[in-house]
Amino acid sequence: QVTLRESGPALVKPTQTLTLTCTFSGFSLTSSGMCVSWIRQPPGKALEWLARIDWDDAEYYKTSLKTRLTISKDTTRNQVVLTMTNVDPVDTATYYCARTPQVFLDYYHYYMDVWGEGTTVTVSS
Amino acid sequence: SSELTQDPAVSVALGQTVRITCQGDSLRLYYVSWYQQKPRQAPLLVIYGNNNRPSGIPDRFFGSSSGNTASLTITGAQSADEADYYCNSRDISGDQLVFGGGTKLTVL
Repeated sequence: QVTLRESGPALVKPTQTLTLTCTFSGFSLTSSGMCVSWIRQPPGKALEWLARIDWDDAEYYKTSLKTRLTISKDTTRNQVVLTMTNVDPVDTATYYCARTPQVFLDYYHYYMDVWGEGTTVTVSS
Repeated sequence: SSELTQDPAVSVALGQTVRITCQGDSLRLYYVSWYQQKPRQAPLLVIYGNNNRPSGIPDRFFGSSSGNTASLTITGAQSADEADYYCNSRDISGDQLVFGGGTKLTVL
């Protein structure tokens, strides 16, 4: 059974650094084609993809947030960590991590097949 | 462009067929996946690779794509299908994933 669980602070002050951890089980992030993404959703708004880390350590980021985000993995602990620097109240959202398999269908296709429950982060002084 | 555009809201009568669309330049190149999200729940994958259903997704969910438009069609809509639906694909550069703005489906 594949599961993912997000953890991190519920409240962060503006300008601080936010660190979120995704702890997963039921798959290995060393397996070829396996990836993990972070996605967020501000209250009442749409989903927003943030970052992805692949089995081969490749990292991909939403362009507009690239300077503030870092994604990393610890395969021995089955964890993926997302850090976001210089947070602002607009970063208030529910943050999800999701397993993101890569499949080859003419082109490489990525989809998020198993999601965590999400963790709610509020940025406020 | 890195944008995927969806209609904000669509309604369908119980038992009828509804199509939810997603438009974007990157869809000419890349496959799309679709997600269903009910209030206070995490999203659920309903279609990947344009037209593949994960195990457990009812066969009334059908995906297709042509040109710059991808579609999610629900035949015989049920009250349980009332939710927000999001499309996702790679952006034109191929490096990022991007979501559409979401479509709120109401089953009347």
